[in-house]
Amino acid sequence: GAGVSQSPSNKVTEKGKDVELRCDPISGHTALYWYRQSLGQGLEFLIYFQGNSAPDKSGLPSDRFSAERTGGSVSTLTIQRTQQEDSAVYLCASSLGGPQHFGDGTRLSIL
Amino acid sequence: DQQVKQNSPSLSVQEGRISILNCDYTNSMFDYFLWYKKYPAEGPTFLISISSIKDKNEDGRFTVFLNKSAKHLSLHIVPSQPGDSAVYFCAARGNSGGSNYKLTFGKGTLLTVNP
Repeated sequence: GAGVSQSPSNKVTEKGKDVELRCDPISGHTALYWYRQSLGQGLEFLIYFQGNSAPDKSGLPSDRFSAERTGGSVSTLTIQRTQQEDSAVYLCASSLGGPQHFGDGTRLSIL
Repeated sequence: DQQVKQNSPSLSVQEGRISILNCDYTNSMFDYFLWYKKYPAEGPTFLISISSIKDKNEDGRFTVFLNKSAKHLSLHIVPSQPGDSAVYFCAARGNSGGSNYKLTFGKGTLLTVNP
């Protein structure tokens, strides 16, 4: 069956530009998570959506980062005025009570 | 402060032998632990999990052991196969108020299984 789908798979942009990353979770999964993995590091939690509840944004590193989830399905992570330290792989996961299932990520490179 | 630690960045074993990957944690509120496997340019894939009420969980060639008093868990793969070569992440989930969903990950261990 279809897994978690993320787009684009790679994104190269100039410092100061805004970027949008997209995540299509597994159909029927009510929970959606964003993580990022910087070089040589583990995955770092960013934000969590569960159904219609208010999202947990406690992992967002700055107010340049925001995310939304429309209709309880697709999610978009937006980074405004990108900085070089934002370079990382951004991973989306979804779940329905059990283990989280991950997409292949978006590799973001800030020049 | 790293709450989940994988102290070995890499491990190399021969095909057919046992691979043992280790993970330590510091947060006593963690009550559910998972292992993920990651190939290059792919997302992590769930492998096996264990609840804190158990000390062992087995699934085919994969067994996870949990020692709560030592705050230590390990993943055993036997027999190891070349296709097992990947980065293995240990992750933990807490049950502290509303934070019982987000995973805290270690930095990963690169396993290489040599034919």
